[in-house]
Amino acid sequence: DAGVTQSPTHLIKTRGQHVTLRCSPISGHKSVSWYQQVLGQGPQFIFQYYEKEERGRGNFPDRFSARQFPNYSSELNVNALLLGDSALYLCASSTFTSGPIYEQYFGPGTRLTVT
Amino acid sequence: AQSVTQPDIHITVSEGASLELRCNYSYGATPYLFWYVQSPGQGLQLLLKYFSGDTLVQGIKGFEAEFKRSQSSFNLRKPSVHWSDAAEYFCAVGAGNNRKLIWGLGTSLAVNP
Repeated sequence: DAGVTQSPTHLIKTRGQHVTLRCSPISGHKSVSWYQQVLGQGPQFIFQYYEKEERGRGNFPDRFSARQFPNYSSELNVNALLLGDSALYLCASSTFTSGPIYEQYFGPGTRLTVT
Repeated sequence: AQSVTQPDIHITVSEGASLELRCNYSYGATPYLFWYVQSPGQGLQLLLKYFSGDTLVQGIKGFEAEFKRSQSSFNLRKPSVHWSDAAEYFCAVGAGNNRKLIWGLGTSLAVNP
């Protein structure tokens, strides 16, 4: 089975532009989470989606938004890009159990550079 | 507030030597603890996890970790390091009803031949 896939792999944008990042979860996984990883730091939680509904949101401005589609794939959108948005954006998929935590499987990430 | 501390930013070991990477957490409830590895240009791969039960957990690639509640620690160990183990290692704790992961800043491991 394919793992988590993300597209594009890399992209370069200019300040003020908009960007859309895409993620396809592992087959059978219904939950997708997004993380931002700035160089030299650990990932920071942005969003979690399950069954097309937002289930969690990290401490990010409203310029960040996401959605999940009926096939469980997901998009992360960032408006009005700032230089500080330059980072590796990671998507993680998982099953969604009734327990308090679950394993997350990460994609290779999208490297966003804002100039 | 929940937090994870990895005290060592960078560690260098010789191939064949033993390894211990430190992780301390702050979390009010029962912690769900993870170690992930990230190689250059790669995503994050789960090495091992602790949910409950035996405090010594075994993972992939010959890694193990020990949960010590009294010390709020979850240190990662490997008895003999291989050159291919050079990577960034992250400790994380699962927190909250939204099941998000809170991460440490990572430890960069270099392996000398």
